[in-house]
Amino acid sequence: AQKITQTQPGMFVQEKEAVTLDCTYDTSDQSYGLFWYKQPSSGEMIFLIYQGSYDEQNATEGRYSLNFQKARKSANLVISASQLGDSAMYFCAMRGGSSNTGKLIFGQGTTLQVKP
Amino acid sequence: DAMVIQNPRYQVTQFGKPVTLSCSQTLNHNVMYWYQQKSSQAPKLLFHYYDKDFNNEADTPDNFQSRRPNTSFCFLDIRSPGLGDAAMYLCATSRDPWQGTYEQYFGPGTRLTVT
Repeated sequence: AQKITQTQPGMFVQEKEAVTLDCTYDTSDQSYGLFWYKQPSSGEMIFLIYQGSYDEQNATEGRYSLNFQKARKSANLVISASQLGDSAMYFCAMRGGSSNTGKLIFGQGTTLQVKP
Repeated sequence: DAMVIQNPRYQVTQFGKPVTLSCSQTLNHNVMYWYQQKSSQAPKLLFHYYDKDFNNEADTPDNFQSRRPNTSFCFLDIRSPGLGDAAMYLCATSRDPWQGTYEQYFGPGTRLTVT
């Protein structure tokens, strides 16, 4: 069975500093995809970044980067130069290669608060 | 801009009174998903459509039904809402998952209150 674990229910970071949100996963699939989504208080889920299991380089999207350590089964999100607008809930999610439905398995989420 | 739209954003219904939530998309994606998200929890997939093919999750209650009359629209029907059905309902779309790993695009959600 596939599983995503986010062990940090809440995190604080000072504005302009970097922060790492942890995500570990468990799957027996060889091919899978890992996603990070941001959910502000308004409720909409916003796609941030994607990492494929065969991608050799860590994914980056602007201030977001994904620290992918395949042997450890971890896919941590790094946000550089935090902004007040980054305050939100962050979800790590996985799609298994055996899933032909695109179904995502979500972690429990981490609430990030950016302090001015 | 291409997007996923959900209406209404907020819905109040009475215990046992049927309610319908709607979702539309301009992305022309062939897969549409409905998620239920309770407070401070992860989204939970209820079901999805692959084109016109309906796929129910094993633990989705019979109280929840869905319709997809065309590519653009998808509806979530709750036949007899209970207090435990109060939640945010998220609609999402994606391109064909057989063709690659694509992100899901989410709508803004409908927050359902049951009184």
